[in-house]
Amino acid sequence: DAKTTQPPSMDCAEGRAANLPCNHSTISGNEYVYWYRQIHSQGPQYIIHGLKNNETNEMASLIITEDRKSSTLILPHATLRDTAVYYCIVRVPFGADSSYKLIFGSGTRLLVRP
Amino acid sequence: NAGVMQNPRHLVRRRGQEARLRCSPMKGHSHVYWYRQLPEEGLKFMVYLQKENIIDESGMPKERFSAEFPKEGPSILRIQQVVRGDSAAYFCASSQTLGGANTEAFFGQGTRLTVV
Repeated sequence: DAKTTQPPSMDCAEGRAANLPCNHSTISGNEYVYWYRQIHSQGPQYIIHGLKNNETNEMASLIITEDRKSSTLILPHATLRDTAVYYCIVRVPFGADSSYKLIFGSGTRLLVRP
Repeated sequence: NAGVMQNPRHLVRRRGQEARLRCSPMKGHSHVYWYRQLPEEGLKFMVYLQKENIIDESGMPKERFSAEFPKEGPSILRIQQVVRGDSAAYFCASSQTLGGANTEAFFGQGTRLTVV
């Protein structure tokens, strides 16, 4: 079962920041938070991941609360092409060799309005 | 560096036939994951493989489904005696171990299986 809770849908205006929240209150100390998105029916696209610290890359920023029970994905200047389903995932490790699997939840359907 | 390649992109099978879905991971990647997505639903984990080993198959149906990732060649997801309920998009992802850490997984564009 997915270990995350996300709102089913959100919308924002083009050019504005999109802030997508995610709750993961049962996260363990060695479990990473990953974000992927799926545009229409394409394959999921990796966005960003983090453990404790906030992270930023060319696509987005990830803000993780100090207690790690929630996080927010920020798309700083949303465009129409950012319309997609966004998945927040807690990476579940197992084994001693860094093996893991990603369990997807229902995600947030983000609609960027012109 | 080519991404994760899946073929065919679309596959039509009659009920009772076999479906073979192929996934070539990114160069240097030794971990492969298969997911299934039914229409209007999220992705469901099926199986996680490393070269010649099945690590976790907890999401695989008990019958008719099998997966392999041989030492040479692509990973194969095989569905025997397909039924209409097998119609779905099947996605493959791959990742690599770098510096002792298993890095982020990258997904292919999927194979859309239609059973008629």
